Amino acid sequence: NAGVTQTPKFQVLKTGQSMTLQCAQDMNHNSMYWYRQDPGMGLRLIYYSASEGTTDKGEVPNGYNVSRLNKREFSLRLESAAPSQTSVYFCASSAAGVSTDTQYFGPGTRLTVL
Amino acid sequence: AQSVTQLDSQVPVFEEAPVELRCNYSSSVSVYLFWYVQYPNQGLQLLLKYLSGSTLVKGINGFEAEFNKSQTSFHLRKPSVHISDTAEYFCAVSEAGGTSYGKLTFGQGTILTVHP
Repeated sequence: NAGVTQTPKFQVLKTGQSMTLQCAQDMNHNSMYWYRQDPGMGLRLIYYSASEGTTDKGEVPNGYNVSRLNKREFSLRLESAAPSQTSVYFCASSAAGVSTDTQYFGPGTRLTVL
Repeated sequence: AQSVTQLDSQVPVFEEAPVELRCNYSSSVSVYLFWYVQYPNQGLQLLLKYLSGSTLVKGINGFEAEFNKSQTSFHLRKPSVHISDTAEYFCAVSEAGGTSYGKLTFGQGTILTVHP
């Protein structure tokens, strides 16, 4: 039982390049989330998926797209990376997507955009 | 909308000393409250959460937190810290009921450093 896994762990991009961050969970959870973590700002929600087949914007969605490929996988895509997207990205999942749920986090992807 | 303020960005303490990490929140609706911990180079994991009932909540690793509705606070405490408690701690809230889909609003984080 690996929990929430993310790939890659580290990535360096040049401005304008694109990439997809992958996330998978093996806990049969319904809801999945993407956050970014910046120093002094805590974690901010980028996009979430309440259930398979649905996605919605969070607090900071500009410059990102997501795909809920199936119940296990939720990917985050940067179409044209910008230096402002340099951050640590965390994927999380929760069982039912209700406000009492515990969220389970992956180990993170550290992204640098030059 | 909700907001969370963690009043200290860094808290240095000596081993075996008590510690309190402060968290205040603002919301126009009822919320649930969480504390998560992030050890170096790892993801976040849940320490404890307040949903209802007793305002004193006990979590893992000897941590506890007290919900104070009148002061809109949810401070985290531990009576005696260990070197292994060195980590960043995040307070978070979720909107009770409705269609929040479990979305969390996080505070800025407090870095706890325990010195020998």
